[in-house]
Amino acid sequence: DAKTTQPPSMDCAEGRAANLPCNHSTISGNEYVYWYRQIHSQGPQYIIHGLKNNETNEMASLIITEDRKSSTLILPHATLRDTAVYYCIVRARFQTGANNLFFGTGTRLTVIP
Amino acid sequence: EADIYQTPRYLVIGTGKKITLECSQTMGHDKMYWYQQDPGMELHLIHYSYGVNSTEKGDLSSESTVSRIRTEHFPLTLESARPSHTSQYLCASSESDSYNEQFFGPGTRLTVL
Repeated sequence: DAKTTQPPSMDCAEGRAANLPCNHSTISGNEYVYWYRQIHSQGPQYIIHGLKNNETNEMASLIITEDRKSSTLILPHATLRDTAVYYCIVRARFQTGANNLFFGTGTRLTVIP
Repeated sequence: EADIYQTPRYLVIGTGKKITLECSQTMGHDKMYWYQQDPGMELHLIHYSYGVNSTEKGDLSSESTVSRIRTEHFPLTLESARPSHTSQYLCASSESDSYNEQFFGPGTRLTVL
């Protein structure tokens, strides 16, 4: 699995867009970018994933650079309930063997009232 | 909303007791997983299953055991609990063709005195 680098923490004002960056310069051609988040004391929650095109769902948008070496998760209108640790994971979609999702340390996003 | 359930949510128990943590999902997913997470630390895969009668150990060695007799049910058992087993245990599941889009339960926070 390609290694990812995320800032350890970020703040965002409530109602504003939260842009969470992730570097994955060693990503290979068959690897997708996945985003999860974990709100304090709860289980992780899948947010979105993409290969090379930008993706949008009801929770967020994912922007992947053309060279695929970095991506940005965008929460368009952050609320206090979006305060969580956000994890960027790079992994081949169909992977044999142990299915460990390596969550790393992620970015702790704090939404400020 | 993901339909995956864990019971109990919190458990405080004495050393030497046998415990079973329950995990059930109603999504018909073939793959199920158990992760262990200490506060503020990374998730570690301890067990996973590809389907009924399939169980495998994960990346982190664990004294716990699991069983998969029914698709929807993946219980985890500790024969003799010790203080070192104190942690949060998270259950997850995914569809057969998608290892990386995992749906997590709320977790069981175990404290062994």
